[in-house]
Amino acid sequence: DIQMTQSPSSLSASVGDRVTITCQASQHINNYLNWYQHKPGKAPKLLIYDASRLGTGVPSRFSGSGSGTDFTFTISSLQPEDIATYYCQQYYNLPLTFGPGTNVDIK
Amino acid sequence: QVQLVESGGGEVQPGRSLRLSCAASGFTFSSYGIHWVRQAPGKGLEWVAVISYDGGRNYYADSVNGRFTISRDNSKNTVYLQMNSLRPEDTAVYYCAKEVYSSGWPPVGYFDYWGQGNLVTVSS
Repeated sequence: DIQMTQSPSSLSASVGDRVTITCQASQHINNYLNWYQHKPGKAPKLLIYDASRLGTGVPSRFSGSGSGTDFTFTISSLQPEDIATYYCQQYYNLPLTFGPGTNVDIK
Repeated sequence: QVQLVESGGGEVQPGRSLRLSCAASGFTFSSYGIHWVRQAPGKGLEWVAVISYDGGRNYYADSVNGRFTISRDNSKNTVYLQMNSLRPEDTAVYYCAKEVYSSGWPPVGYFDYWGQGNLVTVSS
C-alpha cells in the first residue's frame, strides 16, 4: 500500500497569510494526487485533482503542485472560511490512501 | 442536483452486523463507481471499499477485507455496505462518494460528490 504523509499536522495563521502544506507519497505516484477540504459535520470537498488542477467552483486562492513523491498545497491568502482539515489522497492504485490531515486554524 | 444519502447506521455490539445504504439521485447512477470512506472519532479519512458501475468488480481496504461486502442495486440507485463481525475500531462516520468520471475498472479513484455521512458505533 502507498503511505501518505503530511506536514505540518496543524497550523495557525492570520487572515491574509500564505499557507503551505506538504504531502509525500511512499512511492512514485506521478500526479495522481488530490487535495480535499473537510469541515466538521460536512462532507469533504474536492479542491485540487491531478496534483494541480482546480476543482469546480473552487476559489483561485487554492493551488497545488508537485509530481512523483512530493506535493505542495497552498492557500495564497487565508480566509476565515478556510478553517478546516486538509487531506491529500493518492489514486495511483488501490487501496486509495489519504494523508493524516492538516488542521488549519486562524490565529 | 446530485445527492447521496446514507442510512442504516446506529449502535451495535461487537461481533454483530449492520448494513449501510447509500441512495443516489441526480445522475446516471448505473454509470459510476461508488466508494465508501470512513472517519473514526478524532481521526482522519480512511478509504474502505469501491464497487464498479455495474457491480461486477470491487476492492476493499485490508482493515475490512473479509468482513465487509459492498454491493449495489442499479434498479434502486442504491449502494450497500454489509458490515459483519464489527469491531470497536469500526466506529466511525461512514460516507459514500461518487466517482468523478464514468469509467470501468480500475476506478478513477477520486470523488466529486459525497453524502453527509452516517455514524456507526460499535460498543458493548
